[in-house]
Amino acid sequence: GQSLEQPSEVTAVEGAIVQINCTYQTSGFYGLSWYQQHDGGAPTFLSYNALDGLEETGRFSSFLSRSDSYGYLLLQELQMKDSASYFCAVNTGGFKTIFGAGTRLFVKA
Amino acid sequence: DTEVTQTPKHLVMGMTNKKSLKCEQHMGHRAMYWYKQKAKKPPELMFVYSYEKLSINESVPSRFSPECPNSSLLNLHLHALQPEDSALYLCASSPRTSGSTDTQYFGPGTRLTVL
Repeated sequence: GQSLEQPSEVTAVEGAIVQINCTYQTSGFYGLSWYQQHDGGAPTFLSYNALDGLEETGRFSSFLSRSDSYGYLLLQELQMKDSASYFCAVNTGGFKTIFGAGTRLFVKA
Repeated sequence: DTEVTQTPKHLVMGMTNKKSLKCEQHMGHRAMYWYKQKAKKPPELMFVYSYEKLSINESVPSRFSPECPNSSLLNLHLHALQPEDSALYLCASSPRTSGSTDTQYFGPGTRLTVL
């Protein structure tokens, strides 16, 4: 079977740094994406890793280790507006994307 | 224009109704997707079109019928739905055609309620 594992919930305070981990087991792997979704909204793309290493985009960074089938999303200088669900997603090839169950991030003042 | 639009925003329909969901993008993307999302669950892939041809059908029941009239439009025709089909239906598009990498741009979704 195919699976992506990520924590169901994470809580952090404003200004802090939080890391959301994702481990995957899929039949194919072309890359790992991260999406943010606020309640009632649509998923929005945050980052994509096809190769090992760290990708940085502003306050968000994403890391991938293909040998460990593992990646994480790092959010720095947390703001209240970062409270949302975060999904890791694997592109298994041929346009097929499998999403993890999502991590709800709660940012407290 | 970096937007995917979907209409209607909300739809309530009976089990005997026929309705259609519409999706439009003008980013020149050649891959378009339909997802179904239940509350507090991840999006589940339903269909993928590449160059207006159906590329993936994830064993979706025939009461859902996709259509891609041109490279900018994607429809989802609904007929004889069940209450368990109530969900948020998301359309997405992606710029690449190789299938090896894809940044997907999602529309706001249609919230469907089947009575």
